[in-house]
Amino acid sequence: EPEVTQTPSHQVTQMGQEVILRCVPISNHLYFYWYRQILGQKVEFLVSFYNNEISEKSEIFDDQFSVERPDGSNFTLKIRSTKLEDSAMYFCASREREGGNEQFFGPGTRLTVL
Amino acid sequence: SQKIEQNSEALNIQEGKTATLTCNYTNYSPAYLQWYRQDPGRGPVFLLLIRENEKEKRKERLKVTFDTTLKQSLFHITASQPADSATYLCALDMWGSQGNLIFGKGTKLSVKP
Repeated sequence: EPEVTQTPSHQVTQMGQEVILRCVPISNHLYFYWYRQILGQKVEFLVSFYNNEISEKSEIFDDQFSVERPDGSNFTLKIRSTKLEDSAMYFCASREREGGNEQFFGPGTRLTVL
Repeated sequence: SQKIEQNSEALNIQEGKTATLTCNYTNYSPAYLQWYRQDPGRGPVFLLLIRENEKEKRKERLKVTFDTTLKQSLFHITASQPADSATYLCALDMWGSQGNLIFGKGTKLSVKP
């Protein structure tokens, strides 16, 4: 069964460093998303991506963050100048088409900022 | 902004009983309301979706109801099993959004044998 994959599963970084989280969405899906979940809190939307551009972003997704789909299969989230409060699980998700259908989530990357 | 409340943080039931989880929201009704299951340290897994104009949806032992007047969805698991123990998340897919989901905090269900 097709699935969304994410690498690495766990990333530890020093405050102020840049990290890149990688995702491979399901191949025939057109809509891509990043969410984050701080430990013990709810899953929060960061950004959606369609047709090679950002379609929507939340207040969390400020200039510190960027997304890219460099090669038609990978979907990356870059976090510049990481802060302690960026520590969270980051989930990638993809969806086949617009409107009224499920999102498939990856297993997540646990980011720890020291 | 839209707020979602899931009735309790934790729900403990006996195996074989029906678990009923509640999701309440404020403001506008979503185009679609979705339920996901999340196990510790894992990503959410889709279970069921119900449209704004639907009242009820079923899938095997799962049933979802949607009442836009009450701004509430109920999620039922019948004949519950210990393997159903997980956190269940309610998520709203709003009109005009690009499909980004607004999640509730979830209800942690524990089914005791």
